[in-house]
Amino acid sequence: DTAVSQTPKYLVTQMGNDKSIKCEQNLGHDTMYWYKQDSKKFLKIMFSYNNKELIINETVPNRFSPKSPDKAHLNLHINSLELGDSAVYFCASSPWAGAGNQPQHFGDGTRLSIL
Amino acid sequence: GQQLNQSPQSMFIQEGEDVSMNCTSSSIFNTWLWYKQDPGEGPVLLIALYKAGELTSNGRLTAQFGITRKDSFLNISASIPSDVGIYFCAGIYSGAGSYQLTFGKGTKLSVIP
Repeated sequence: DTAVSQTPKYLVTQMGNDKSIKCEQNLGHDTMYWYKQDSKKFLKIMFSYNNKELIINETVPNRFSPKSPDKAHLNLHINSLELGDSAVYFCASSPWAGAGNQPQHFGDGTRLSIL
Repeated sequence: GQQLNQSPQSMFIQEGEDVSMNCTSSSIFNTWLWYKQDPGEGPVLLIALYKAGELTSNGRLTAQFGITRKDSFLNISASIPSDVGIYFCAGIYSGAGSYQLTFGKGTKLSVIP
């Protein structure tokens, strides 16, 4: 039933490790996004993919690499994790962004803690 | 990039009181959105506004798209404990092949029973 689902919900790992977060949406949307929410709850967009193509790539370290195998999935791989990467990462989706002003629907987040 | 000023940052109110929060921007948006985030969950869309001057209700929630397209407010009437959470405004600007969604920094609402 879940429209936008992310796994895992919690991720605790050591500095320097490589980890991936997966996201899937069953809404039939064309566009998917990754956001980072810091400890002050500020939501900042990281990436956006439309139908498997990268359309937004904000200033994010190149240790972060999104991958979209199909339009229903957008995964986030993070290399060489650093303490500052600790945050909640949200996946979202919307109908094609270029078609107008479509609201985004969010997953429940992945809480990443770096030890 | 575009920035949104959302106020207040936090509110403590008594159950039953009405609540008002707003967002302002230095640039125009085509769409205003209001989301609520409960602890441990993702933001959930409450109301979407698509036209300047539009006033839309969703139960006890009412939101308006400002005439200047640079502001929006959200009112909650007769607050209840489950209204607790963080409320985010978001503005969408799209045009000439571009699409940008910007979030406010949130209003944290606490309701005292």
